[in-house]
Amino acid sequence: GESVGLHLPTLSVQEGDNSIINCAYSNSASDYFIWYKQESGKGPQFIIDIRSNMDKRQGQRVTVLLNKTVKHLSLQIAATQPGDSAVYFCAETLRGRALTFGSGTRLQVQP
Amino acid sequence: DTEVTQTPKHLVMGMTNKKSLKCEQHMGHRAMYWYKQKAKKPPELMFVYSYEKLSINESVPSRFSPECPNSSLLNLHLHALQPEDSALYLCASSQEKSGGADGYTFGSGTRLTVV
Repeated sequence: GESVGLHLPTLSVQEGDNSIINCAYSNSASDYFIWYKQESGKGPQFIIDIRSNMDKRQGQRVTVLLNKTVKHLSLQIAATQPGDSAVYFCAETLRGRALTFGSGTRLQVQP
Repeated sequence: DTEVTQTPKHLVMGMTNKKSLKCEQHMGHRAMYWYKQKAKKPPELMFVYSYEKLSINESVPSRFSPECPNSSLLNLHLHALQPEDSALYLCASSQEKSGGADGYTFGSGTRLTVV
């Protein structure tokens, strides 16, 4: 049965601070991981991805870290802005299989 | 064109109605997907089409019937739905079924309410 409650985990940060959103993934064989941002009333929007042969990848203001030993993925957002407020999902896939999403985290940026 | 377009954006239907959700992409992607998303939950995979053929059906009830008329279009036919089927239905596409380096492109979804 479902173990996730009715409320999304929420991370509240001040504008300008750095944010770290964490995710535990389920399949140790997954070879590709993606972070998505979902704003209210919209579909998931690609942020950054990382392959299993890497442990860190940087984009513009965002960094993804992958720890395969403990099956942990994190998204770091530098200098968080009000426009970053959204729900963030990690997702994983194994070649030939469709994307599977992890539970989300709501990021609230206080001005 | 780098978008996935879904219509309608909102749909209210009765339990005896028949309706269809539509999805269109013109990026040349050969894999298309239907996901269902309940409030405060992650999207859950329903169906995968690869090269216009159904390749994955995640044990979805038969009251949901997918159709892929051509490589750019994906439909989801709805019949005799239940109130618990109310959700955001998301369409996505990718270059290949695994997503690869291109990842997935999602539409904005159809907000379905069954009354």
